[in-house]
Amino acid sequence: GAGVSQSPRYKVAKRGQDVALRCDPISGHVSLFWYQQALGQGPEFLTYFQNEAQLDKSGLPSDRFFAERPEGSVSTLKIQRTQQEDSAVYLCASSFEGGSSPLHFGNGTRLTVT
Amino acid sequence: LAKTTQPISMDSYEGQEVNITCSHNNIATNDYITWYQQFPSQGPRFIIQGYKTKVTNEVASLFIPADRKSSTLSLPRVSLSDTAVYYCLVGDTYSGAGSYQLTFGKGTKLSVIP
Repeated sequence: GAGVSQSPRYKVAKRGQDVALRCDPISGHVSLFWYQQALGQGPEFLTYFQNEAQLDKSGLPSDRFFAERPEGSVSTLKIQRTQQEDSAVYLCASSFEGGSSPLHFGNGTRLTVT
Repeated sequence: LAKTTQPISMDSYEGQEVNITCSHNNIATNDYITWYQQFPSQGPRFIIQGYKTKVTNEVASLFIPADRKSSTLSLPRVSLSDTAVYYCLVGDTYSGAGSYQLTFGKGTKLSVIP
């Protein structure tokens, strides 16, 4: 079966532009996470969904970041008015359930803001 | 949230056994310990998970002492392809504390030398 798919693989945006990053989780996976990974750093938690409910968005760095998962499957991370400090790899992960279920990661979207 | 501490980097020769230790002094009762491997330009990949004592699978072993304040990932007979960053995660999204973060640290960069 397919793993977690993220698109686009690479995105270049000019400062001030809005971007939308897509995540297709593994079918049937209840939990979905977004992480941000800066160069040379570990992934930093952004937000968590259980089905369509966003249960934790404490890691979103500003109100320019918005995530949704309206039907409990595909998720979109939107960044408005991008800034240079938003340049990073954005990783999506899904798991069958929370708690002890391992996370399955996509290969990320590398966002470069110029 | 249980924080983790790992060595920043380790070097090993091919064919040797490598042990990477992670400290997690404030691990909670419901927390699991999970290790991930990350290659450049890829998302992290699940290696092994445990709650207590010892767990072994086809790629690694995980040793957890009785107090669970640390854990050791053991990779038998490493090869060049094991060169990667290894992350220790501690957490449980069913904590009931309102936080669903699964927090990565900075990881351990393992370099396998021919």
